[in-house]
Amino acid sequence: KQEVTQIPAALSVPEGENLVLNCSFTDSAIYNLQWFRQDPGKGLTSLLLIQSSQREQTSGRLNASLDKSSGRSTLYIAASQPGDSATYLCAVRPQGGSEKLVFGKGTKLTVNP
Amino acid sequence: NAGVTQTPKFRVLKTGQSMTLLCAQDMNHEYMYWYRQDPGMGLRLIHYSVGEGTTAKGEVPDGYNVSRLKKQNFLLGLESAAPSQTSVYFCASRWWLSTDTQYFGPGTRLTVL
Repeated sequence: KQEVTQIPAALSVPEGENLVLNCSFTDSAIYNLQWFRQDPGKGLTSLLLIQSSQREQTSGRLNASLDKSSGRSTLYIAASQPGDSATYLCAVRPQGGSEKLVFGKGTKLTVNP
Repeated sequence: NAGVTQTPKFRVLKTGQSMTLLCAQDMNHEYMYWYRQDPGMGLRLIHYSVGEGTTAKGEVPDGYNVSRLKKQNFLLGLESAAPSQTSVYFCASRWWLSTDTQYFGPGTRLTVL
C-alpha cells in the first residue's frame, strides 16, 4: 500500500530564507508526483507536477525534484516571502490503473516578516 | 473560465438528514473526483468518474452516492448523514491523460450534528 510522508509537519522561517520541504513515498511505481499549496479555508492549488520520467520541475522561485528509486521528493523555495505561508501537500499517482492520488498530511509553512 | 466550483460552501446537517453537494467544471474535463479532508488524515478519495454517465468507488465510498449525468457536473449525495461525515469535501477534475494535473474546487465545509 502506497504511503506518503511529509517532514516536517510544521516549519517557521524568517523572510528571505531558502527552505526545503520533504516528501517520501513507499512504492516507486508511480505515474507522477505533484506538489500543492493549500491556504486556510481554501482549496488546493497545483504548484508543480513531476512525471515519473523526470528529475525536476521549476516554476519561478519553486523547484521540485524527484528521486523515484529512493522514494523521495523535495520542494525548494528560494527567498521565501510571507505570502508563501500555507500548507504544502505532496501527492503521488500510483501506477496500476488507480485513479487515486495518495496525499501526505502536509507541511505547514510560516514565513515571518 | 471559472474552473472548478462547488455548491454550497458551508452546510450544517442533523444526523439522518440528506443533502447533495454539487461540483461543476467548465474546462471540458473527462475525469472528476470527490475527496474528503479530515484533520490528521490527509485527503482521501470518495468516488470518481472517468466520463459522463460513469462512476466508480474510491478509498472511502461508504455512506455516499454520486452521479455524473452531465459531463460538467459531478454530484455527491449523503442519504442519511452521520457525525462521522463531518469534513471538508473537495471536488477535482482533470483532462484524460494520465500525466495531467488535477484542478481542485474551493471546498464545502460540512458539519453533521
